[in-house]
Amino acid sequence: DTEVTQTPKHLVMGMTNKKSLKCEQHMGHRAMYWYKQKAKKPPELMFVYSYEKLSINESVPSRFSPECPNSSLLNLHLHALQPEDSALYLCASSQDTRRDWGYEQYFGPGTRLTVT
Amino acid sequence: AQKVTQAQTEISVVEKEDVTLDCVYETRDTTYYLFWYKQPPSGELVFLIRRNSFDEQNEISGRYSWNFQKSTSSFNFTITASQVVDSAVYFCALSEATGRDDKIIFGKGTRLHILP
Repeated sequence: DTEVTQTPKHLVMGMTNKKSLKCEQHMGHRAMYWYKQKAKKPPELMFVYSYEKLSINESVPSRFSPECPNSSLLNLHLHALQPEDSALYLCASSQDTRRDWGYEQYFGPGTRLTVT
Repeated sequence: AQKVTQAQTEISVVEKEDVTLDCVYETRDTTYYLFWYKQPPSGELVFLIRRNSFDEQNEISGRYSWNFQKSTSSFNFTITASQVVDSAVYFCALSEATGRDDKIIFGKGTRLHILP
């Protein structure tokens, strides 16, 4: 079963709100990822967690705060977002991130976020 | 730096025609991996194939086939006898080693329309 689930499917939030996106996988994968995708663009990597530790932060603004409570769960906490942060947020997981092993990533359906 | 070029932004073909999506990559790594993902209108990225740099055998999976040629740094994807359900954005991607980890960089994608 190659399933990654994400909640909520849609989220509308004001610029002063605090909200969280959730992601879950039960494939025993040890790596999890957050991507941001704007319309008609490829996914852009935001964060990578490997064995529950943050291993890559692609210079993402601090209004986005990731959290990995355990190897199956990944959260993205949102605070004081801007309208330009409106996008599809995709979660993914892979077996590992080990260099030169090139594990494929499995993606969730995404959360479509609108910031008003 | 790693780079993936998908020169075809948008392609339209009539159902049952064959169609080839081009992918050209640049890398200095000797060990690397190439991927294709499909993103239908629902938004979820679906993993299609992973290929490592040492395996130049072509791959066929049903109506899908992939042609990997290291000499031209290309990893092209052909859909035979296309169907309306093949309409989607297709991303070619390349692994990139960052410190101890691999991450994936995506091409800009090719939007494929299969017309009934």
